[in-house]
This record gives sequence, structure tokens and C-alpha cells, in this order.
Amino acid sequence: DAGITQSPRYKITETGRQVTLMCHQTWSHSYMFWYRQDLGHGLRLIYYSAAADITDKGEVPDGYVVSRSKTENFPLTLESATRSQTSVYFCASSGTGVREQYFGPGTRLTVT
Amino acid sequence: GENVEQHPSTLSVQEGDSAVIKCTYSDSASNYFPWYKQELGKRPQLIIDIRSNVGEKKDQRIAVTLNKTAKHFSLHITETQPEDSAVYFCAASMGGGADGLTFGKGTHLIIQP
Repeated sequence: DAGITQSPRYKITETGRQVTLMCHQTWSHSYMFWYRQDLGHGLRLIYYSAAADITDKGEVPDGYVVSRSKTENFPLTLESATRSQTSVYFCASSGTGVREQYFGPGTRLTVT
Repeated sequence: GENVEQHPSTLSVQEGDSAVIKCTYSDSASNYFPWYKQELGKRPQLIIDIRSNVGEKKDQRIAVTLNKTAKHFSLHITETQPEDSAVYFCAASMGGGADGLTFGKGTHLIIQP
């Protein structure tokens, strides 16, 4: 869906580097989410946000930081990347009262 | 927190036959149960969902059933077609989806011609 985009789509970084994954949606959805997908684990929730300036931890938040200064953007930062953070990261959004989550195309991150 | 178990991890069926994927959840407070389909290299896409106040929902060849007492829900696909081949994920949420989803580990559905 063109309404939710992620950048970059592919990223290779080194251990210890800071990296930020971007997520942008054009629907003015209130809720936004970050998941990581790993073989054998399915998708796991990292952080979510109910509105601008409101964020909450999900199942696997350690090593990640989020912010949401604008409704349409929800960046995810790895402050000091580790090899265990090699994964595919999906951003998703949903509107108030509408529970379907729309996923972005994903970012494949490799930490060497 | 919530825990979702999904079975089987791989399911192979003949084209035209039915496929059933089962999930169990741990927290009786969960009230929203979506199913997502993910094709190789693509994003997950919602195919059907069910709320806790409904026992069954159907959309053409796809149906979902929910048993709150037993805390399990199932996806049924009838008259399977080659384009049904994908990985299917069940999920559960206590906040109607607003607090994020807890996913099962996925079922790789293979449709044999």
C-alpha cells in the first residue's frame, strides 16, 4: 500500500553503529507499530504508539528507541547495533476504532 | 503477556482440498484475532479477522472460528488454489489491536498441483 512507506529498504551496518529506520504513513492513522521478523519467531512487537508523543514498549524493546513527534512518522533507532538485531523490520499503522493493521514493505537490516 | 501457539508449521494439501490452521492463545482478555497472509519477500496482509463476541466469520473461501472457552481459533480455506500458497500468521490482541499484536510463528501452506 502506497500509504505507508519505509526507508531504507535494505541496510548493512556494523556492530556498534547507530542506525535509524524510517516509517511514514499518509492516512493520519493514530496508531503505529514496529515489528521485527525472524525465522522461527514470526513477528514480534518492538514498540507502538497511540498518538504523537505517546509510545509504549512491546515484547522486545531492548536496544531500540522510538519517537513520534508527528502523527505521520515513527522512526526506530538502534543506538548501538548488535548482530542479534539482524532482521526484517516492519512498520504498521491503524486508525482509531479500526483494528486492521496495514504493514509497510519492510526494511532488511544486516548487522556485520 | 500473551502467548500464541500455531500449528502446523508446514501444511501441504492438494489443489482443491481444504486447509485448516489452528492457533491457541493464553490470555482470556484477548479480544481481537486477525489472520495475515505473507508471500515470499512481501509484507503481511490481513485476510480475515474476528472479534471475541463472534464465534465464526466467513469471507468467500476463507472462514475463521473462535472458541473462547478453549482459547483457540482456526483458519479454514476451502477449494484451495495455487495462489493460496504462502505463510499464514495468526495473531491475538487484548486491546482490539491498539496495543499491538502477538503473532504465532506461522504456517507455510503449500498447494500441490
